[in-house]
Amino acid sequence: QVHLVQSGAEVKKPGASVKVSCRAFANTGWWFHWVRQAPGQGLEWMGWIDPNTGGTGYAQKFRGRVTMTRDPSISTAYMELNRLTSDDTAVYYCARDPGLGDYWGQGTLVTVSA
Amino acid sequence: DIQMAQSPPSLSASVGDRVTITCRASQGISNYLAWYQQKPGKVPKLLIYATSTLHSGVPSRFSGSGSGTDFTLTISSLQAEDVATYYCQKYDSVPLTFGGGTKVEIK
Repeated sequence: QVHLVQSGAEVKKPGASVKVSCRAFANTGWWFHWVRQAPGQGLEWMGWIDPNTGGTGYAQKFRGRVTMTRDPSISTAYMELNRLTSDDTAVYYCARDPGLGDYWGQGTLVTVSA
Repeated sequence: DIQMAQSPPSLSASVGDRVTITCRASQGISNYLAWYQQKPGKVPKLLIYATSTLHSGVPSRFSGSGSGTDFTLTISSLQAEDVATYYCQKYDSVPLTFGGGTKVEIK
């Protein structure tokens, strides 16, 4: 069954911000992790959020430019990335800790283009 | 932060061959190591967690081993449907770093 459902594709201009959502339909208390994958590139972990406390942690590369939030009332986590450049064009995924199972969102393509 | 070095970046093997991919952590991560398979345009699929535990539904030709800093994913008899890119990921603590990936092709 579906566990994580993400928002749809986005097209943004350089310098703009994007906010991607991820709704959980099971195990709503588990942490969300955000991972991205640029075209033809590998998987890159961006950070985590605890939906119970709102606690977060970000990969050093994204600190100062990413904000992860959540709305526990609708079991949804958000990832907002600011000051977008073409290098941020990627598929963004929410996922769970692999020790808990194979739970990934379907991915959200974010395209940054003038 | 702990770095994950995966090798080789790519390999080409024949159907039926035994294939080995390695992942080395810059510091010990106990057995908190997972392996994923990703086919083009698809979401990564969990193959193995806790170094050697096969995820439900994964064919038994896949196996994992190792501990501490050195880990291995083995495909005992490569099949055509195994063409994909494989990633390791540490999950002992954040950051949950991925290896760079290994692209597996059929010769």
